Amino acid sequence: DTGVSQNPRHKITKRGQNVTFRCDPISEHNRLYWYRQTLGQGPEFLTYFQNEAQLEKSRLLSDRFSAERPKGSFSTLEIQRTEQGDSAMYLCASSSGRMTDTQYFGPGTRLTVL
Amino acid sequence: AQTVTQSQPEMSVQEAETVTLSCTYDTSESDYYLFWYKQPPSRQMILVIRQEAYKQQNATENRFSVNFQKAAKSFSLKISDSQLGDAAMYFCAYRYNTDKLIFGTGTRLQVFP
Repeated sequence: DTGVSQNPRHKITKRGQNVTFRCDPISEHNRLYWYRQTLGQGPEFLTYFQNEAQLEKSRLLSDRFSAERPKGSFSTLEIQRTEQGDSAMYLCASSSGRMTDTQYFGPGTRLTVL
Repeated sequence: AQTVTQSQPEMSVQEAETVTLSCTYDTSESDYYLFWYKQPPSRQMILVIRQEAYKQQNATENRFSVNFQKAAKSFSLKISDSQLGDAAMYFCAYRYNTDKLIFGTGTRLQVFP
C-alpha cells in the first residue's frame, strides 16, 4: 500500500493555458474523488468515479474542467483556459466504496495561475 | 442540503493539556458518518477519528476522542495530553452513505511548549 499519489505537486501557469493533473489511487480502491481547497477553507467536492464511471459532478466543475478515469485506474483532471480564480490546491482521495471505508487523501497539486 | 460548521477559526493549547474543537452539522438523514481530519502545514490530510451515527458510543483513538450528540447535531473532538505534533488544521467532515465528504472551514490548532 503506497498511498494516494498526485503529480505534479506544484504547477504554475499563465492565465489562458491548459493544465492537467494526475492522481494514482490506492491500488484496490475503486472509488476516486477530486476536491478543491482554497486558502483558509475546507476542501470542496468536485467529482467522483466508481471505477471508470463518473457518477457525480459538482456545480463547481464548470465546462472548462474535465476529469477522466480510463480503465478505472489513475485519473486526470484537466482545466482548460485557466483563470486566476482556479488557483487552489487540488486534492485527490480514494476509497474502497464500502460503507465502512474511509477516504484516503493524496498530497495534492497546488495550482497557481498568474 | 447538508452543511458542516466549525465556529472556532483558531485554538491554542499548552503542551500536555487538553483541548476541545467544536463542530456542528445539519442533515435530514438518520444514518451517516462523521470524521475529523488533520492537515499539518504543507502535508497531506490524514484521518484522525470517525463516528458512525448509528453507534451511541463515542469513538476513541488513543489521545483523541469525540463527543457525539446526535440530537443536537454536534460532534466535538477532544485532544488529551496535547503534543507539539498535534499542531495542524483540523477539519470536521460529514458523509452520507458512500457519498462525498462535506467539510467545515477548519480550526487551526496551535500547541505551545
